[in-house]
Amino acid sequence: QKEVEQNSGPLSVPEGAIASLNCTYSDRGSQSFFWYRQYSGKSPELIMSIYSNGDKEDGRFTAQLNKASQYVSLLIRDSQPSDSATYLCAVSPWSASKIIFGSGTRLSIRP
Amino acid sequence: DAGVTQSPTHLIKTRGQQVTLRCSPISGHKSVSWYQQVLGQGPQFIFQYYEKEERGRGNFPDRFSARQFPNYSSELNVNALLLGDSALYLCASSSRHQDGLNQPQHFGDGTRLSIL
Repeated sequence: QKEVEQNSGPLSVPEGAIASLNCTYSDRGSQSFFWYRQYSGKSPELIMSIYSNGDKEDGRFTAQLNKASQYVSLLIRDSQPSDSATYLCAVSPWSASKIIFGSGTRLSIRP
Repeated sequence: DAGVTQSPTHLIKTRGQQVTLRCSPISGHKSVSWYQQVLGQGPQFIFQYYEKEERGRGNFPDRFSARQFPNYSSELNVNALLLGDSALYLCASSSRHQDGLNQPQHFGDGTRLSIL
């Protein structure tokens, strides 16, 4: 079992719709969770961090965390073509000196 | 403020050679981490340094080593290069833990290393 699992996609979503990206993790001791966006040929760019169960909203982005289910998700509202990228879920245990990334989900927003 | 800077941006080496990659963190960040990313995969953790000490090491062979300097910049060294070392090497910096929680890491543009 991978430590952080994501559906590789591609996930195709029409412009203006909600894109839903999911991630599961295996270490119950994980405490810090991050979503990154990576355009082709570029480095990862932080979208959001979340540490507590529930929802956290930032503009068009909402991160959702459920530690009991070991599940974290990212919702993108009003999807735009510029949102087409690979989305990386990253997880870190408490005080651990490493962050573990999933393989990423490719998102494609179709006009 | 400048972000994380890495050099060089591209590098071509041959098998058996050695390479040194460099990273300067965001001002005020004392933690630097190194990652290897191959096509189609997420970044794989190599090292983390904080206050010039190694705080974490991923599952990489001893050919990989790193260090952090008093100004918090860092170098990643890879010896005896193999074809499989071809990848994008990413450096990320972050502020220290808060209440035991890892803070977000901010990435540089990376060094693309090609081994012939």
